[in-house]
Amino acid sequence: KNEVEQSPQNLTAQEGEFITINCSYSVGISALHWLQQHPGGGIVSLFMLSSGKKKHGRLIATINIQEKHSSLHITASHPRDSAVYICAVRSQGGRGGGADGLTFGKGTHLIIQP
Amino acid sequence: ETGVTQTPRHLVMGMTNKKSLKCEQHLGHNAMYWYKQSAKKPLELMFVYSLEERVENNSVPSRFSPECPNSSHLFLHLHTLQPEDSALYLCASSQDFPVLREKLFFGSGTQLSVL
Repeated sequence: KNEVEQSPQNLTAQEGEFITINCSYSVGISALHWLQQHPGGGIVSLFMLSSGKKKHGRLIATINIQEKHSSLHITASHPRDSAVYICAVRSQGGRGGGADGLTFGKGTHLIIQP
Repeated sequence: ETGVTQTPRHLVMGMTNKKSLKCEQHLGHNAMYWYKQSAKKPLELMFVYSLEERVENNSVPSRFSPECPNSSHLFLHLHTLQPEDSALYLCASSQDFPVLREKLFFGSGTQLSVL
């Protein structure tokens, strides 16, 4: 069974700070997703990665397959970045998790204060 | 705007009511999903439809009944719910199923309260 652990669970920071959110998982994966959920409830897919690093604007996602660990970084954080950030992994061969093959973390609740 | 629209955004119902949640996707995707999100818990997959066929029921109680009349529309029919069913219900879609190396597209969710 694949376990997905995110840290921290809650994070409050000041505008402009560099933010790091971590995700660890327990079995081999084929892909890892970072999702963003705003207070209204809707979820947006930020990144899907299986190796290395991806960057989009102020967001950077990295993954270390050997260490079974991924990080999401936010540079020059802004109050509009306040959201819940969710890590989800797809196990190799699609095994584990639900019928969609995905196992979700509980999310990191980020608040950026002005 | 993700291309996946859910209605209503909020719903309050009594335990004896019957209601339906609606999801529509304008992306031309072949797979649609219902997820449940309870406070401080990970997203839980409820149902998956691929090409209008239900793929698997994740042991969801029969008081939740999905319907997929075509590849663009998905419904979740609710009847005799319990207070513990209060949660955010999210619809999602993907180009194909299973999702191997592609993204899921989510709607804004329906916040359901059962009194």
